[in-house]
Amino acid sequence: DVKVTQSSRYLVKRTGEKVFLECVQDMDHENMFWYRQDPGLGLRLIYFSYDVKMKEKGDIPEGYSVSREKKERFSLILESASTNQTSMYLCASSLFNEQFFGPGTRLTVL
Amino acid sequence: KNEVEQSPQNLTAQEGEFITINCSYSVGISALHWLQQHPGGGIVSLFMLSSGKKKHGRLIATINIQEKHSSLHITASHPRDSAVYICAVVGGNQFYFGTGTSLTVIP
Repeated sequence: DVKVTQSSRYLVKRTGEKVFLECVQDMDHENMFWYRQDPGLGLRLIYFSYDVKMKEKGDIPEGYSVSREKKERFSLILESASTNQTSMYLCASSLFNEQFFGPGTRLTVL
Repeated sequence: KNEVEQSPQNLTAQEGEFITINCSYSVGISALHWLQQHPGGGIVSLFMLSSGKKKHGRLIATINIQEKHSSLHITASHPRDSAVYICAVVGGNQFYFGTGTSLTVIP
C-alpha cells in the first residue's frame, strides 16, 4: 500500500510566523505535489516536483516555497504566514496517471 | 477557465436513492479519476478510467471519450456515502480537478 504522510493534521499559527509542512511518501515516487483546498475552489496546485532538488511553480505559488532534498520528502514553507493562507493543505505523490494523497493538514493562521 | 466541470455542486438524497454525478472536461486526457473525500479526511481514489465502464460494489463509473464526459453512479445510496466526490483528469503531465460534488445521504 502506498502511504503518504503529512507532519500534522491540524496546525494553528500566528500571522508572520514561518510555517513548515512536511510530506513523506514511501513508494519511491518521483513526482510530488502540494495543493491547497478551499470551499468552492477545489484543489489548487501550489508547487510540484519531478525529482530531487527540482521544483516547479503551480497555479498559486505566491507566498509559498518548497524544498525537496530527498526523494521521499517534499516540504512546503510559508515564509511569513498570513490569514489568507488559512486552508486545508494536501500533499500527493504520483506514479504514471495515478495520484496518492496524504491525509491533509488543516492550517489556521490567526 | 475550468478544464473540469462537475455537476451538481451539492446533492442531498434519501437513503436508497440512485445518485448520479456528472463530469465534463475540455482537455485531451490519458485518464480520468473519481476521488472521494470524507469530512476532515484525506482523498482516496475510487476509480481510474480511460474508457468504458467500471464497477465496484454499489459504485459505477462511466466515461465517453468522444463527448468528454464521465458519470459516477451510486446505487442504493447509504448515509456512509456522504462525502465530497471529485472528478480529476490527467492531461499530459498535469492533473486537473473539478471543484467537487458534496453529497449528503439522509437516513
